[in-house]
Amino acid sequence: DAGITQSPRYKITETGRQVTLMCHQTWSHSYMFWYRQDLGHGLRLIYYSAAADITDKGEVPDGYVVSRSKTENFPLTLESATRSQTSVYFCASASQGGGSNTQYFGPGTRLTVL
Amino acid sequence: AQKITQTQPGMFVQEKEAVTLDCTYDTSDQSYGLFWYKQPSSGEMIFLIYQGSYDEQNATEGRYSLNFQKARKSANLVISASQLGDSAMYFCAMRELYTGTASKLTFGTGTRLQVTL
Repeated sequence: DAGITQSPRYKITETGRQVTLMCHQTWSHSYMFWYRQDLGHGLRLIYYSAAADITDKGEVPDGYVVSRSKTENFPLTLESATRSQTSVYFCASASQGGGSNTQYFGPGTRLTVL
Repeated sequence: AQKITQTQPGMFVQEKEAVTLDCTYDTSDQSYGLFWYKQPSSGEMIFLIYQGSYDEQNATEGRYSLNFQKARKSANLVISASQLGDSAMYFCAMRELYTGTASKLTFGTGTRLQVTL
């Protein structure tokens, strides 16, 4: 079935390691987003992308890197993981960036940094 | 800056009863959209309902309705005839509508709803 998928669903890593979280959508949506969810903060935007090769920072971008070479993929890389990056990460996509267009979310990746 | 406040960390409701989840927002924008998402224990985020700041009528989607009071800056979610499957975390979110580039969703901290028999 089409939609938005994330992999891995669960990841445990150690401080200082590089980790890449994958996001893939089959709707050909132009916009893609990465959020992190932490208790007491709701969801916060890390990075977003308006199209292939166009990315921009969100509210909490430090320590993260994104790329978007293809419309359907939007990987998120933690270059040197820290314990504070333990969180649940959600990828989302939308056909438009603003307006009433709904962002549709992937199932999430639970990342634990030891 | 936009801000969403959900003051109810947890709510209980009996099955078949209606429940209102509160959401207040703060923004200096004239044009904005308000969203509600449901997050069940399985973790996914499910879009429920949308209300635009210029919409004159309150949005409804099945058993969900949004009680939009613009002057009070509130956008409460009303769930009628609660079902056990409604037990979940509910998030209110907002964003600007008419910006040149993608605009972020600002989320509240959520309300955990528990439906009881």
